[in-house]
Formats: sequence, C-alpha cells, structure tokens
Amino acid sequence: AQSVAQPEDQVNVAEGNPLTVKCTYSVSGNPYLFWYVQYPNRGLQFLLKYITGDNLVKGSYGFEAEFNKSQTSFHLKKPSALVSDSALYFCAVRDMGGGSYIPTFGRGTSLIVHP
Amino acid sequence: DAGVIQSPRHEVTEMGQEVTLRCKPISGHNSLFWYRQTMMRGLELLIYFNNNVPIDDSGMPEDRFSAKMPNASFSTLKIQPSEPRDSAVYFCASSFSGDTQYFGPGTRLTVL
Repeated sequence: AQSVAQPEDQVNVAEGNPLTVKCTYSVSGNPYLFWYVQYPNRGLQFLLKYITGDNLVKGSYGFEAEFNKSQTSFHLKKPSALVSDSALYFCAVRDMGGGSYIPTFGRGTSLIVHP
Repeated sequence: DAGVIQSPRHEVTEMGQEVTLRCKPISGHNSLFWYRQTMMRGLELLIYFNNNVPIDDSGMPEDRFSAKMPNASFSTLKIQPSEPRDSAVYFCASSFSGDTQYFGPGTRLTVL
C-alpha cells in the first residue's frame, strides 16, 4: 500500500522569505516521489521528482525538494518566495515495487506568498 | 508537442443529459488517467488505462460513468445521466510507464 500526507492545508509566507511545503509518505518498497503545482484554472504541472541518487532534487522555477528516507519525507523548498509562486502544490508517491503505475496524490497545500 | 488536449474546456448541461469528455494524450505515452477535482473531495482518480486497456476503474463513482480508450491517441469519459453532484473539473493525464504525469487543462463541468 502507498499513501502520502500533506499536513498543512495552507502555508503563508512573505515574499523574499524561504518557503517549505511538507510531505510525508508511506510505501512498502522504494518510493518514486513527485511534486506538482496547480495554478488557478489550470491543470497540474510537474515540478520535480525523486527516483534515486542525490537526496536533494532541483526542479523548475527555483524549487527543490529533499528526500529523507529515515523520516519518510519529501519537503518542497525554495530559498526566496515570489508572489507568483502562490498556487496549490501536490505531493505524489508511487511504490516502485508495487507493480502499478498509479501514483497516490496528497490533498494539496495552498501556498500564499504575501507581497 | 502540444501536451495533453482535452475538450470541451467548459460544459454546462442540465440534469439527466449525457455528457462526453474527450482526451488526446501525449504521443508515445502508454498510460492514461482520468481524475475529478472538487473542493470537497480534492483530486480523485476515476480510471487508469495502460496500453489502451482499463486496468483500474475502482474510482468510477457508479454505473452512470463509463470510459473508453479505442486507440492510443483518444479517450472518452461519459456520464449518462448527469446529476448536479457530478459538477467538478475533470482532468486527463498521460505518462510513460509510471513516469511523470502530464495533465491536460481540464474540463469544467456544471450540471444544473
């Protein structure tokens, strides 16, 4: 079985400050982890993914995520937030040993960046 | 590549009418997913196709919903008859063998 949790429904941050959007996961095997972003009235867009290798993954728009196996976390981070980063962020996980191509998505975290 | 294409972008219909949503996945992708998004329930997986074959339809709400994928470049999601509670944004996404999913722009369905 696979599951993912995004413990915060909303994250507020001031422009220029660092941001973190949290994600924890549970899988039986090795995780395949993703972050997606959804802007208003748009579909989800891929930001970054972790399969294996370096625990720090860099993605689009200056975002990065750190894979932590011991804490089963994959938090999304950005050193300096922009107002244009305000959007809905989804974490997703797929169990690489599960035999299915279906990922499980979190409920999403609304990021609000204040000017 | 044009990305995943969905039509129509908006659909307003009356209760009891048939609704057909369409999706063209990215060329070369072998997996296709239909999702529904609402404020109350978030993002829900309705059905998953692999190589044009439905693999998991456990998320399809009831018999009023049906989905087909007659070939690798086209899929439909049909609701018959439609009900107000079906109002949502419906997304189609495609991927290659479980890799990154690419989502279409969605179809916003309103059932009056």
